[in-house]
Amino acid sequence: DAGVIQSPRHEVTEMGQEVTLRCKPISGHNSLFWYRQTMMRGLELLIYFNNNVPIDDSGMPEDRFSAKMPNASFSTLKIQPSEPRDSAVYFCATSTGGGGDTQYFGPGTRLTVL
Amino acid sequence: GDSVTQMEGPVTLSEEAFLTINCTYTATGYPSLFWYVQYPGEGLQLLLKATKADDKGSNKGFEATYRKETTSFHLEKGSVQVSDSAVYFCADFSGSARQLTFGSGTQLTVLP
Repeated sequence: DAGVIQSPRHEVTEMGQEVTLRCKPISGHNSLFWYRQTMMRGLELLIYFNNNVPIDDSGMPEDRFSAKMPNASFSTLKIQPSEPRDSAVYFCATSTGGGGDTQYFGPGTRLTVL
Repeated sequence: GDSVTQMEGPVTLSEEAFLTINCTYTATGYPSLFWYVQYPGEGLQLLLKATKADDKGSNKGFEATYRKETTSFHLEKGSVQVSDSAVYFCADFSGSARQLTFGSGTQLTVLP
């Protein structure tokens, strides 16, 4: 299995631009998580999907952030407009069950907003 | 809300030294407990886990025992290697939180 696939691996953009991060989960995994990692705040859960339905989006920082999972094999996290404070590494993770099952993380997308 | 507190780093050890990274949690009941490891430039991966009191999780020479009486899940390894250099995250999952709660991570560097 290829594992969780994220793209792009690196993204550099200018403030105000739209950014779209992509994730392909492991086949058969029905839970998907988006995390953000920064030095200051550590690892934060942004949103959690189960069977393509958003279950908990309380970690989404503000309306500039949105996430979708149109089908079982694809999810996106969009930031519009982006700001320098959004610079971080964004991870997608998936599991076969809920949050208590082992989560498999992708390699992450390193976002830099200038 | 629930929180997980782990030993602050960075921790620097010589090869073959003994490692302990402390971790305590505040969730009530019997949460599942995890240690994840993050190697440079990669995502987190599960190192070991325990789902009930007194269980011992183990993998790659690392061990951690679920201690309900002290609400702890300390990570240990008897003899570290240079290849163990990474960031280690303790985490718990409780029914009330319905999500993994991660500690802040501990950076380990092992010198040859």
